[in-house]
Amino acid sequence: QSALTQPPSVSGSPGQSVTISCTGTSSDVGSYNRVSWYQQPPGTAPKLIIYEVSHRPSGVPDRFSGSKSGNTASLTISGLRAEDEADYYCNSYTSTSTYVFGTGTKVTVL
Amino acid sequence: QVQLVQSGAEVEKPGASVKVSCKASGYMFTYYYVHWVRQAPGQGPEWMGWINPNSGDTYFAQKFQDRVAMTRVTSFSTTYMELSSLRSDDTAVYYCARGFKTSGWDVWGQGTTVTVSS
Repeated sequence: QSALTQPPSVSGSPGQSVTISCTGTSSDVGSYNRVSWYQQPPGTAPKLIIYEVSHRPSGVPDRFSGSKSGNTASLTISGLRAEDEADYYCNSYTSTSTYVFGTGTKVTVL
Repeated sequence: QVQLVQSGAEVEKPGASVKVSCKASGYMFTYYYVHWVRQAPGQGPEWMGWINPNSGDTYFAQKFQDRVAMTRVTSFSTTYMELSSLRSDDTAVYYCARGFKTSGWDVWGQGTTVTVSS
């Protein structure tokens, strides 16, 4: 199972919006609404910020939103803040009943 | 509070085995699957498999099927992940995580660093 494809890095100024894409195939992202997103500052465990494509767990700000079109899922961070600087990973369930992560995107707040 | 607490760092030689524990607290242990995810230095996370703490059923990524085992002791609310025939590229931080809804892991352990070196 190949990793989902994400851009290596995105950046934006405080208050701006950034969007991270996550491209898979018809065997994972395209076939299931079981896409999740994780935020990981350096040296810490991943934190769930989006599940089932577009749902936020309790406590996650509504600045984070998720969507999906075809084989590509997206995470948008609106009103970018310094504390959003971290690595972000997508994840999807697959047709072989396994899970695959994305390649990861480093978000930099300018 | 809901948490997963893992065992401490391990250093092993190539060919050896390592067993990492993950103790759950603050919720009903048997209600949620536990997944194991590893992350090599500078790399993204990699899913290894899950265990159903209620039944003991397991499912693994094909890459690990021949050398991973996941077990649990319900009276201790603890799951274990054992990886055998260790190689240098098994050096990573190993996390346990609680399954959430149909996708996602909402509670993570603090991670256990496993170093494989001769």
